[in-house]
Formats: sequence, structure tokens, C-alpha cells
Amino acid sequence: ETGVTQSPTHLIKTRGQQVTLRCSSQSGHNTVSWYQQALGQGPQFIFQYYREEENGRGNFPPRFSGLQFPNYSSELNVNALELDDSALYLCASSSKSPYNEQFFGPGTRLTVL
Amino acid sequence: DAKTTQPTSMDCAEGRAANLPCNHSTISGNEYVYWYRQIHSQGPQYIIHGLKNNETNEMASLIITEDRKSSTLILPHATLRDTAVYYCIVRAARSSGNTGKLIFGQGTTLQVKP
Repeated sequence: ETGVTQSPTHLIKTRGQQVTLRCSSQSGHNTVSWYQQALGQGPQFIFQYYREEENGRGNFPPRFSGLQFPNYSSELNVNALELDDSALYLCASSSKSPYNEQFFGPGTRLTVL
Repeated sequence: DAKTTQPTSMDCAEGRAANLPCNHSTISGNEYVYWYRQIHSQGPQYIIHGLKNNETNEMASLIITEDRKSSTLILPHATLRDTAVYYCIVRAARSSGNTGKLIFGQGTTLQVKP
């Protein structure tokens, strides 16, 4: 069974640029959630995708957007990057069960200069 | 989702049991207690969850008090690889209109020492 994978591992961008991060969900999982983790903090929920639709969103501006594809993989797009967007971006996949254990990928470390 | 309170840090000797407490005094009847851990620079790892009964799996045991206002995660024989930040999260079961998002606090940094 393949776990959650994310790409790229590390990324450096400059302020104002746009970035796309990718996530492949665990086999059999149809739900993907994205989290942002600033240094020294716990992860913060960005949004969740289920059946290719956004299924809930945290307190993040519209320049954070996403997609989910028919194979349940997902993308996180961030436009007009700001210095504070520097963080570890985590993707978690889960099945549509009430218990909803979420299985996380290794994350993408984004640095905005 | 109810809020949780955990100690900032704890030490444990290698081979001994690590007991990590969590207070969740405002937990409601349909909320579960979840534990995740995050080893440095990795994604969080699911450990265990429970509603009101004690639970055990290959990684850990979860003891929930009868009033459900607190719980303890037990790692029975801690190893150096168990050094990590441990997060206690209270969350309702996923349903329509509820994403089941995880709300992480600061967690407890567990240092297992030789």
C-alpha cells in the first residue's frame, strides 16, 4: 500500500510569485486535506477536497486555492506569495468514514524570500 | 471542537513507559479524542483515537477518564525513536457539513533519553 506522497520536497520562491504543490493520496482514500505549519507551531487547516469539490475551508485568504483530480490526487496553489507563507505544507488523505483518521504526507517546505 | 490542554514538554527514560496527559474538560458527547505525533521535519502520524472506552493498538494505549474530561496516552516501552511532539485533538465524528478537520494545539514535546 502506497502512503501519501508530496512534491516537491523543498521549494524557494520570491515574494509575489505563484506556487503549486502536489499531493497523491493513499490508496483507497478519496478525501484530501491541506494544512500549513509555520515554524514552531501546530499545523493549521487550509481546506479539504472531497469528490473534486472543496468541502470546507479554514481561515485562509482566497489566494490559497486547490484542486482535486478524478484519481483523488490534489494540488494546492498559492498566488501572490508573501513572506509569511513560508511554512511546511502538509497534505493528509482519508477515507469517507466517520472516524476519518487522516494520514499525512512528509510535507513540502516552502521558503518565500 | 473542544479545546485541549497539554504540558509543553516531558522527559522519559528509554525503556520506561511514557504517560502523556491531556485535559479536554469541555468535550461533548459526540467528540472523539485523537492522538497524533510529529517527529522532527516529518508529517504528523496518527497514533490512536477513542470515544469513552480505553483503546490499545500496536503503538500505544489510550486511557480516557470516566467523565471524559481528560485522557492519557501511554507508550509502554519508550524508545529514542519516540522522541516527537505529541498532539491531543478532540473532534466530532465526520458527518455532512463537518469536514473532520484536525485542530492542532502546541502539543507536548516528549524527549526520550538513554
